[in-house]
Amino acid sequence: AQSVSQHNHHVILSEAASLELGCNYSYGGTVNLFWYVQYPGQHLQLLLKYFSGDPLVKGIKGFEAEFIKSKFSFNLRKPSVQWSDTAEYFCAVNADSGNTPLVFGKGTRLSVIA
Amino acid sequence: DGGITQSPKYLFRKEGQNVTLSCEQNLNHDAMYWYRQDPGQGLRLIYYSQIVNDFQKGDIAEGYSVSREKKESFPLTVTSAQKNPTAFYLCASSVQGSSGANVLTFGAGSRLTVL
Repeated sequence: AQSVSQHNHHVILSEAASLELGCNYSYGGTVNLFWYVQYPGQHLQLLLKYFSGDPLVKGIKGFEAEFIKSKFSFNLRKPSVQWSDTAEYFCAVNADSGNTPLVFGKGTRLSVIA
Repeated sequence: DGGITQSPKYLFRKEGQNVTLSCEQNLNHDAMYWYRQDPGQGLRLIYYSQIVNDFQKGDIAEGYSVSREKKESFPLTVTSAQKNPTAFYLCASSVQGSSGANVLTFGAGSRLTVL
């Protein structure tokens, strides 16, 4: 069975600090990888996704993530966070067949302080 | 605008009562999902349906039931058998079998509180 581990439960950063949120998955086959974000009071929305090709993917709002197959990782990064990035971030994975449901990590709450 | 509508947004129920959460989508998506979100637990899959009149159990299906009689609707019933039903419930949908597969679109959620 697939599983996803997000190492940080709560991260607190000052504005302009760099961000890296860890995500590791366990699955032996080819996977699709996702980061979703939940801003306070808003729907969960897709931040970025990796299906194949360039392992460095760019998403909305200046976020990017790098797929490192040898490490089973898909860490999320942003060079300089803003107060508006305060949200909960979820990493998710599913098998490459595309017809299996997403398995989500437990989430990382990011608080950005001025 | 296309999207997913969940209702009610907030719901209170007494122990021992069943309650049904509504989920409707006008995205023409084949697949629909129900997840439960608890603080520090992330999203856990309850049930999913890839086609009308068919659905599969997820990781935490006990105490829940669903139906998929129409493509656009996937209601979730929280039964009295669910031991800890107080939670935030999220409905999602996706296309199937294409490069867009499993990019989920989420509803706004329903928060159920059992008194």
